[in-house]
Amino acid sequence: DAGITQSPRYKITETGRQVTLMCHQTWSHSYMFWYRQDLGHGLRLIYYSAAADITDKGEVPDGYVVSRSKTENFPLTLESATRSQTSVYFCASSESMSLAGHNEQFFGPGTRLTVL
Amino acid sequence: RKEVEQDPGPFNVPEGATVAFNCTYSNSASQSFFWYRQDCRKEPKLLMSVYSSGNEDGRFTAQLNRASQYISLLIRDSKLSDSATYLCVVNLPVGPLVFGKGTRLSVIA
Repeated sequence: DAGITQSPRYKITETGRQVTLMCHQTWSHSYMFWYRQDLGHGLRLIYYSAAADITDKGEVPDGYVVSRSKTENFPLTLESATRSQTSVYFCASSESMSLAGHNEQFFGPGTRLTVL
Repeated sequence: RKEVEQDPGPFNVPEGATVAFNCTYSNSASQSFFWYRQDCRKEPKLLMSVYSSGNEDGRFTAQLNRASQYISLLIRDSKLSDSATYLCVVNLPVGPLVFGKGTRLSVIA
């Protein structure tokens, strides 16, 4: 049972380059999320998706693009990386976002991205 | 007022001590509450869900006070392995879960 995986786990890139972070889940969860985590800020939501081809902006979407052509995959692309995007990126998934329950999120192991 | 607020700590406690963290939330319509644990350089992991008046799992007890809009996490008989950051998480009526910035706990031998 792989759960939720992210790749690469570590990435170093240069300013201006395009970078894609991958996220894959095997639970068939409808919802998927991308967060970044920086010291002093906690987890900040970048984008989320309720289903294939349905995505919504989170708190800090600028500079990022997402897609969800298949339920199990939710890639995050930095179109032109900047130093301020150096961070740890976590992907998460959940069965629901309903107040009725089953809305806990399960996280991948994270990708540490450094933009030089 | 922030949606979810936690004391960042750090809380430094000796092994065997009892420690409690509080978390306040601003939206009275929130229904689901969780505590997550995050170890250094690792992903957050679900520790406990808090759906009604409280929840207990071994040495861990989570309580919800709707009138005052706070949840708490009590850890009894602290172990060295309990050292981590504890995230308070709240489900708003609309939208994804909201994560607090976390409270850091260090259990000292």
